[in-house]
Amino acid sequence: SQTIHQWPATLVQPVGSPLSLECTVEGTSNPNLYWYRQAAGRGLQLLFYSVGIGQISSEVPQNLSASRPQDRQFILSSKKLLLSDSGFYLCAWSFLTGVGHSPLHFGNGTRLTVT
Amino acid sequence: AQSVTQPDIHITVSEGASLELRCNYSYGATPYLFWYVQSPGQGLQLLLKYFSGDTLVQGIKGFEAEFKRSQSSFNLRKPSVHWSDAAEYFCAVALNTGGFKTIFGAGTRLFVKA
Repeated sequence: SQTIHQWPATLVQPVGSPLSLECTVEGTSNPNLYWYRQAAGRGLQLLFYSVGIGQISSEVPQNLSASRPQDRQFILSSKKLLLSDSGFYLCAWSFLTGVGHSPLHFGNGTRLTVT
Repeated sequence: AQSVTQPDIHITVSEGASLELRCNYSYGATPYLFWYVQSPGQGLQLLLKYFSGDTLVQGIKGFEAEFKRSQSSFNLRKPSVHWSDAAEYFCAVALNTGGFKTIFGAGTRLFVKA
């Protein structure tokens, strides 16, 4: 069966420090991969999605970036964190089915606090 | 632009009472529609989905949702709420834009009182 791993679970970083969040999927190949951010009391904001290795679509211009160095690995990065980057970051994957698009399968999230 | 609207930020219902959470979407074609549930500090779990066919779909935990094309709505219902249903509920729309990006509503927080 497919599983998604996301780490770390919690992270406290000072303003101006770099960021690297990693997400890996097991048990499937060529998934669509997504990074979402959930700010306190708000819905999910799509940050990036990827349909293949090296293919990244950015939804929101900001100081974050994403990379997909391997088929089942998706990394969220920043060179210099801002206070406004605090939030709950969720990685997710999906795939095309014979009848359309599968639901998203989410990791357990990373709680990032920028101090 | 595509959007998903959940007009109720929070709802409180008594245990055993019925529940309806509202969702409206804005999209030119018929989208793929989903409801997810999130417990505090956790990722999201799929409750149910609509792709095509029967407009009344059944999900897990006794939930159901009805797609109404004329109203661009996909409301979630449960006939009898349990205390364990207290959580945040998100309606979502998946758009066929090559990457099938999914857009979420702002969520509705459900409180259940004894």
